Amino acid sequence: DIQMTQSPSSLSASVGDRVTITCRASQTISTYLNWYQQTPGKAPKLLIYAASNLQSGVPSRFSGSGSGTDFTLTISSLQPEDFATYYCQQGDSPPFTFGPGTKVDVK
Amino acid sequence: EVQLVESGGGLVQPGGSLRLSCAASGFTFSSYEMNWVRQAPGKGLAWVSYIHSSGTTIYYADSVKGRFTISRDNAKSSLYLQMNSLTAEDTGVYYCARKQWLGPGADYWGQGILVTVSS
Repeated sequence: DIQMTQSPSSLSASVGDRVTITCRASQTISTYLNWYQQTPGKAPKLLIYAASNLQSGVPSRFSGSGSGTDFTLTISSLQPEDFATYYCQQGDSPPFTFGPGTKVDVK
Repeated sequence: EVQLVESGGGLVQPGGSLRLSCAASGFTFSSYEMNWVRQAPGKGLAWVSYIHSSGTTIYYADSVKGRFTISRDNAKSSLYLQMNSLTAEDTGVYYCARKQWLGPGADYWGQGILVTVSS
């Protein structure tokens, strides 16, 4: 099975900050990597699919990059509504594992 | 508007069974692959199961294999998860999620349904 790790597990940031979250797969997954945002009590929301494709309706301050085993989610200028937990997920082969999540909170 | 609405959750004793349903609307359900994803209280997301649009290909997480059964009724635009031999570790919110038409992501999610396994 493919294991997914994320770093950091949490970070504190301010509005306007540039935020970068990394995700690593235990084996190559090409670009079969998704990023989701989840706020408390809500369902996850797809932000980025296939490593670098912005899901429709998602603000352009979100971007994704990477291929193979190493991936990055970047928020170029953090907004108040972006304080949330972010998960990566591999879609290469079952089980379609999620990373443990990165919580972004207020500094 | 795409909608996914889960039902069938609740409190069940260890060793018991539950059947979750997910009613889909606003899209051609029979054309889309679907997933179940769960989240234990205070924990991260965990993928549970996948089913192809035709129902011919199915996958499970190791933690539920042999106990859970995913199925779908395309005529009723509904997805199901039959859960047997439940344990406390199965407690959590269960989401049905639609896989993108072109892409590996899950682009629409239900609101989630709580399953509590406790005596």
